[in-house]
Amino acid sequence: RKEVEQDPGPFNVPEGATVAFNCTYSNSASQSFFWYRQDCRKEPKLLMSVYSSGNEDGRFTAQLNRASQYISLLIRDSKLSDSATYLCVVNKDSGAGSYQLTFGKGTKLSVIP
Amino acid sequence: GAGVSQSPSNKVTEKGKDVELRCDPISGHTALYWYRQRLGQGLEFLIYFQGNSAPDKSGLPSDRFSAERTGESVSTLTIQRTQQEDSAVYLCASSYGRPGELFFGEGSRLTVL
Repeated sequence: RKEVEQDPGPFNVPEGATVAFNCTYSNSASQSFFWYRQDCRKEPKLLMSVYSSGNEDGRFTAQLNRASQYISLLIRDSKLSDSATYLCVVNKDSGAGSYQLTFGKGTKLSVIP
Repeated sequence: GAGVSQSPSNKVTEKGKDVELRCDPISGHTALYWYRQRLGQGLEFLIYFQGNSAPDKSGLPSDRFSAERTGESVSTLTIQRTQQEDSAVYLCASSYGRPGELFFGEGSRLTVL
């Protein structure tokens, strides 16, 4: 099983739609989880952290399921500007190596007019 | 500037030549990472610096790769005797220490002919 696994997509959705991405991780010791966004030929940028109780930031909702070792990202009311690749990021462990992050390969989203 | 600065933004070199890539992190950020991203692929961890601690070099793919950082300032990634498979975007990121919250530069795109 890959350390961090994502459906590569692409997800093609119309403007205004709701879309959800899942990501699974293999290391049960992981403690920190994040979603990054990467636009075409640009650098990744932090979108949001994922907290145990789930968290929301505007149209974006992130959830964590430790038992099943997956995290999700829900985007409501999709905008054209949401078109990007969404990267799932997990830290390798909870100890001294917690700075080590594993990036998923990303899920590509295209929002269509 | 306020962000992570990388240079050169583009580098084309011939197989067998050495290249040096530079990263200027955000002032005050103690942690610095180098990642590699091949076309259409995910981010691959190369090396991590934290303050004056010994760097984590576990991601360097071969002894042709090396990196240095002076204190909490500029870092250079050196690739000796470049090979075609070294062609990629080399991304530098800095952090103020909170795991997962990385600020990336725009990357150095390396093409080895």
